[in-house]
Amino acid sequence: GAVVSQHPSRVICKSGTSVKIECRSLDFQATTMFWYRQFPKQSLMLMATSNEGSKATYEQGVEKDKFLINHASLTLSTLTVTSAHPEDSSFYICSARDLQGAGETQYFGPGTRLLVL
Amino acid sequence: GQNIDQPTEMTATEGAIVQINCTYQTSGFNGLFWYQQHAGEAPTFLSYNVLDGLEEKGRFSSFLSRSKGYSYLLLKELQMKDSASYLCVAMDSNYQLIWGAGTKLIIKP
Repeated sequence: GAVVSQHPSRVICKSGTSVKIECRSLDFQATTMFWYRQFPKQSLMLMATSNEGSKATYEQGVEKDKFLINHASLTLSTLTVTSAHPEDSSFYICSARDLQGAGETQYFGPGTRLLVL
Repeated sequence: GQNIDQPTEMTATEGAIVQINCTYQTSGFNGLFWYQQHAGEAPTFLSYNVLDGLEEKGRFSSFLSRSKGYSYLLLKELQMKDSASYLCVAMDSNYQLIWGAGTKLIIKP
């Protein structure tokens, strides 16, 4: 089945630094990728929808200048958390929609755990 | 390798009970989640089990057997709005999420 990978799987950084998280669709092309944030035992919060070759669409309340999203190709989207602060510590999950697939099928990545000290 | 298996699709009748099974193989284990996802929407958290046993939450219950690598989600008094995909997700020892492909549940009147 379709596989989505994320890199790194976990990252610890100092407050004020920037962190880049990669999301790749390994065996399919994805014109649309989604970035989610998960708080412990809570639902995934959609942060933004990333479309290849165009600007991402951010959900209300998500700072686009803080969470930079780039979808440079049909298999790669990146999320950069700029000037990270401890409150940004969370689990970030991406998903990708299969270009060839039917309907609303999304494939989820394994997540990236971010800890900001 | 790490793997999640759950049925692709199930059909049930409004007012009935349905059980969605999930088996998993992971490197270590830090819990199992069930999410509900309606078409075009983000997944919604339903349950989290890390200890063996049954946890009941309203019409939904989730069961876990760590020794068997098995979980199920039980939905009672089915309503039409329960038609959705149900995702079984396991967390491994590195806190990575292994996602099942989802079970599409179709509720018929």
